[in-house]
Amino acid sequence: DSGVTQTPKHLITATGQRVTLRCSPRSGDLSVYWYQQSLDQGLQFLIQYYNGEERAKGNILERFSAQQFPDLHSELNLSSLELGDSALYFCASSVGAKKGDTEAFFGQGTRLTVV
Amino acid sequence: EDKVVQSPLSLVVHEGDTVTLNCSYEVTNFRSLLWYKQEKKAPTFLFMLTSSGIEKKSGRLSSILDKKELFSILNITATQTGDSAIYLCAQGGSEKLVFGKGTKLTVNP
Repeated sequence: DSGVTQTPKHLITATGQRVTLRCSPRSGDLSVYWYQQSLDQGLQFLIQYYNGEERAKGNILERFSAQQFPDLHSELNLSSLELGDSALYFCASSVGAKKGDTEAFFGQGTRLTVV
Repeated sequence: EDKVVQSPLSLVVHEGDTVTLNCSYEVTNFRSLLWYKQEKKAPTFLFMLTSSGIEKKSGRLSSILDKKELFSILNITATQTGDSAIYLCAQGGSEKLVFGKGTKLTVNP
């Protein structure tokens, strides 16, 4: 158990809908990262927050947004869902702001299926 | 855009074999090279390498970084069926981790 908690574990929803994925980082970690993993793309970095502020942005679509709250948990909002958004969404956390300095620990992921 | 390339993409071996997994990376914003093991779900952390030539070891797994040639290897000796997984390497930059597509290792009894 990495100490990073993601909910829900599975989510099935229809195209056009909006969902929210939740992540609680390890105790003491200030940075939260979101990744998308699909079969042919590997782990794709979406976005990073550090202590409530956005720090880095990757290949995140405009239909997606995220935030980190004062208690450091984070939510990833996916809207106007398309079939191609079906994937595993991982959250990871680390102590520092600079991801290359400390290892990141991953949650178990949320499997999103858009039908 | 940083690029991390892993080889081979897939590997099938018998229990007891030794395997070497390769990872090459680009130098832009390099801070560290990390290895993860992904079984059914979440990648689990194995090693973080920042210095060239210093081997990190954990049981039957070991890894080393070559910053001159921009690559890292992950060795697994005396493989067991429980080593079957996807092994991911990632380049740690100034802001994010960039992952390779992974090597799928299958260890047959």
